[in-house]
Amino acid sequence: DIQMTQSPSSLSASVGDRVTITCRASQSISGSLNWYQQKPGKAPNLLIYAAVTLESGVPSRFSGSESGTAFTLTISNLQPEDFATYYCQQTHSIPRSFGQGTKLEIK
Amino acid sequence: EVQLVESGGGSVQPGGSLRLSCAASGFSFNNYWMTWVRQAPGKGLEWVANIKEDGSEKYYVDSLRGRFTIFRDNAKNSLYLEMKRLRVEDTAIYYCARDFQIPGYTGGWKHYYYYMDLWGKGTTVTVSS
Repeated sequence: DIQMTQSPSSLSASVGDRVTITCRASQSISGSLNWYQQKPGKAPNLLIYAAVTLESGVPSRFSGSESGTAFTLTISNLQPEDFATYYCQQTHSIPRSFGQGTKLEIK
Repeated sequence: EVQLVESGGGSVQPGGSLRLSCAASGFSFNNYWMTWVRQAPGKGLEWVANIKEDGSEKYYVDSLRGRFTIFRDNAKNSLYLEMKRLRVEDTAIYYCARDFQIPGYTGGWKHYYYYMDLWGKGTTVTVSS
């Protein structure tokens, strides 16, 4: 099984900041990496798929990048509604494992 | 409205069984793979299983294969998860999600990218004595 290691597990930032969350795959996943946002009591919401493609309707302050088996979610100009938990997920092979999550909190 | 609505959750004793349902509406259900994802209280997301459009292929996380069964009824636009021999550690919110796929090309090799673009609100399963 492919292991997804996400870091950091938690992060404090202020409105207007730029933050980066990293996800590393235990083996090559050929860009098959998605990012989801989850707010308390809500279902996850797709942000980015195929490592770099922004889902329709997602603000452009969210972006994704890829370098080998390392993937990054960047949020620029943090807004109050961005404070949530973020998960990466690989869909290269079954089981389609998630990272452990990163909780983004207001500083 | 395009939506997924889960039902069937509840409280059950260890060793018991439960069948979860997911009703789809607003889209052509029989054109999509479907997935179950669960989330234990205060924990992260866990991919559980998925099923092909026509039900002919099913995949599970190894730890649940044999106790959980995913199936679908396209005539009823519904997805199901049959759960048997439930354990305390199966306590979680269970989400159904639509699997979307698009083709991709890496080094001339065609493959597919998959992502879950539509989620239900979830149904809660509590396994406790």
